[in-house]
This record gives sequence, structure tokens and C-alpha cells, in this order.
Amino acid sequence: DADVTQTPRNRITKTGKRIMLECSQTKGHDRMYWYRQDPGLGLQLIYYSFDVKDINKGEISDGYSVSRQAQAKFSLSLESAIPNQTALYFCATSERGPDTQYFGPGTRLTVL
Amino acid sequence: GQQLNQSPQSMFIQEGEDVSMNCTSSSIFNTWLWYKQEPGEGPVLLIALYKAGELTSNGRLTAQFGITRKDSFLNISASIPSDVGIYFCDSGGSNYKLTFGKGTLLTVNP
Repeated sequence: DADVTQTPRNRITKTGKRIMLECSQTKGHDRMYWYRQDPGLGLQLIYYSFDVKDINKGEISDGYSVSRQAQAKFSLSLESAIPNQTALYFCATSERGPDTQYFGPGTRLTVL
Repeated sequence: GQQLNQSPQSMFIQEGEDVSMNCTSSSIFNTWLWYKQEPGEGPVLLIALYKAGELTSNGRLTAQFGITRKDSFLNISASIPSDVGIYFCDSGGSNYKLTFGKGTLLTVNP
């Protein structure tokens, strides 16, 4: 079984809808992250959490919210989806710094 | 944030050829990370470099931390079709997040 899983893998939705992307990990890591990837733009950090009681905004948190339900679970919500949130979303976990990050397989989100 | 330049942007090669790509920055860094992203998958760490001049191998992959600490190189020897993907570098400019450059898209023709 994969160490970091994301659901759904693909989602098409309409403008204004609320969407939740889920991430689960079995690595036992305290740190979890949500990134957004757009073609040719690298990764942008949305939110990150160093433990269950710690939530921090990343570079592009506007329009997004997160919930760290447990050490193993970190969910990303789009309260009211808009077309420019169409992207590939990755969850990642790490034991410490960026050189120990493990990524999930990604969720491809399309907002019409 | 860190500004990384990866080149080339894309490569089309024949199976068996060697590949070389690089990543440069105007700033000095203490870490270089190389990731590979295959279609439909998340990025996977290939090699991490922590010291200027360091040369590290992972199978057919070899990466070097430039002596100026402003660049890094990744070489793939005797390419095979499963080497296809996008290769990203990160200069470890943050102690918690990855940023990645724009990536090098590698296509290997059998």
C-alpha cells in the first residue's frame, strides 16, 4: 500500500462549489503539506502543519482552508471553487526538512 | 523566494544515450535536491546533495553539487524508457518547503 494517499485522484467541479481533498499517510510523520502545481510554475505551498495542533499558511492560502484531523490525516478545502484553482494538488509528509518529503500521487482538479 | 533556472527545458533522446541537465541560481545554497515526477504520480526524491563539490550516485544517476554552490548537475547514463518524466531541482532554500524549478522534461525513444 502507498505511504501517502490522496482522494479523489481526479475531480471536475463547477464554480462556486465547495470541494474537499483528502490526504492520509502511514509513514508516522508529524509534518504534512499541501502544494499546488501548475504547468511550468513549480510548486507553490498552500498550507503546512508541523503537528496536529499546528497549522500554518503557505504562499497561496487565499481561497483554501485545511483541517488536520489526526497525525495521519490532512484535508484541503476550497470553500468556493473558481476556475483559476484548476491545478494539480499534492499532499506531502516529512519527518523533518524538505529533503525528507514524500509526496502523494496528486489530485487533478478542474473547476469549470 | 529562490530563483532556479533549469536547463534544458526538454530533451528528446534515444534509448541508451546519456543525459545531462543542470540547475543554476544567483544565490548560494547549502543543499541541492533532485526529484523525478512521472506522469500521474507525485515527485520522488532521487538524490540529495549537502556539500559543495559533492558527487553522489544512485544507480545510473549521478548528481554533483557545484563548487560555487550556485549550481548542480544531474546525469543519467544509458537511458531507458522508464527514465521518462520531469526532473526537478530544489536548492533547499527553505528549511521546510520545496519550491522546484520549472523542470526538465525527458522523453526517451525506444
